[in-house]
Amino acid sequence: KNQVEQSPQSLIILEGKNCTLQCNYTVSPFSNLRWYKQDTGRGPVSLTIMTFSENTKSNGRYTATLDADTKQSSLHITASQLSDSASYICVVRGGYQKVTFGIGTKLQVIP
Amino acid sequence: EAQVTQNPRYLITVTGKKLTVTCSQNMNHEYMSWYRQDPGLGLRQIYYSMNVEVTDKGDVPEGYKVSRKEKRNFPLILESPSPNQTSLYFCASSRSRDRALSYEQYFGPGTRLTVT
Repeated sequence: KNQVEQSPQSLIILEGKNCTLQCNYTVSPFSNLRWYKQDTGRGPVSLTIMTFSENTKSNGRYTATLDADTKQSSLHITASQLSDSASYICVVRGGYQKVTFGIGTKLQVIP
Repeated sequence: EAQVTQNPRYLITVTGKKLTVTCSQNMNHEYMSWYRQDPGLGLRQIYYSMNVEVTDKGDVPEGYKVSRKEKRNFPLILESPSPNQTSLYFCASSRSRDRALSYEQYFGPGTRLTVT
């Protein structure tokens, strides 16, 4: 069964600190992996996409990594800001049209 | 502005009273989809559409209907809502029907539905 597991479920960090969110998946075959940011009460917005051949990709203060061999991805947030408070969702595309969503990590950045 | 719109944003209804949640996108996207989001379960796909008049079931289609008569619109219909359909619903669209899910899905703002 295709699964996407994220950890931790929730996280509280101080403003300015770094953090790393994890995503492990069992989706096969693998096509790509996206990280979405979902602000409370709003729809998810894509941060980055990782394909099989990519190991690292950055989008501003967000850096995603992918290890396709171990089926793990991480999202690293540098110098966190209050506006980073949101849920971060890992989404893996497998075979034709099949997409599996993780439950998400809820991040709270406090002053 | 490129966007996906949903209406209504909030809806409280009673069991059995038919309702429709509208979804519209202005990006000329071929692919559209409906999701529900529940605590502890994440986003789950209800139905999707690869193009006009082409729809297919997602993971949790029971109790829902959709139609795609026009490219820009993809309404979600609950013929006889039940309390277990209380949830947060998102519509999404994406470019290219052939590689729809390689492209970013653009999500609407969500519709919070409560069925009593």
